[in-house]
Amino acid sequence: GQQVMQIPQYQHVQEGEDFTTYCNSSTTLSNIQWYKQRPGGHPVFLIQLVKSGEVKKQKRLTFQFGEAKKNSSLHITATQTTDVGTYFCAASGNTPLVFGKGTRLSVIA
Amino acid sequence: NAGVTQTPKFQVLKTGQSMTLQCAQDMNHNSMYWYRQDPGMGLRLIYYSASEGTTDKGEVPNGYNVSRLNKREFSLRLESAAPSQTSVYFCASTLGVAGLAKNIQYFGAGTRLSVL
Repeated sequence: GQQVMQIPQYQHVQEGEDFTTYCNSSTTLSNIQWYKQRPGGHPVFLIQLVKSGEVKKQKRLTFQFGEAKKNSSLHITATQTTDVGTYFCAASGNTPLVFGKGTRLSVIA
Repeated sequence: NAGVTQTPKFQVLKTGQSMTLQCAQDMNHNSMYWYRQDPGMGLRLIYYSASEGTTDKGEVPNGYNVSRLNKREFSLRLESAAPSQTSVYFCASTLGVAGLAKNIQYFGAGTRLSVL
């Protein structure tokens, strides 16, 4: 079945540093979603990317969908302690979604 | 708006006991899902219901049963709990009809289950 690989598994950064997580698939994706889960919380939808090469921004977060629609990235500029949590990508287009294992971000103040 | 509501929030069971986790959504969504989350394993799909009246196995269905009681409610049952089922369980729902919003998932707050 379809799989999405997410790297890194963990990332520790100093507050103010940038952070990037990557999501890769061996097959072409219809579209991709990103979710954030705060410690002790539940996953919350952030964004969906549909078009090849698409780039979307949400304040300090930049989301990209690869030209071949096989990879995606989430970049956070100048991390803050509020960015702490686990970020998941999910391959969408079919039911059910296929989630990556997530990247856990720790921010050291 | 309540969104997706899960009960209970916490539960401790002894090995061999049974219990049902309840999930209800008030967004008129067609599709509902049950996941378990263990450290380092991400979200693993247990069962899902693409529409009222249908259920399908996910990645890790063994030891679980589900019931799509109506469009709003989707329950997960553990018939004979085992320590390996200690986990955090999330219910989610999606609109489930054609369109860009079809598969955007809305999660409940989770049930933290310990099996001793």
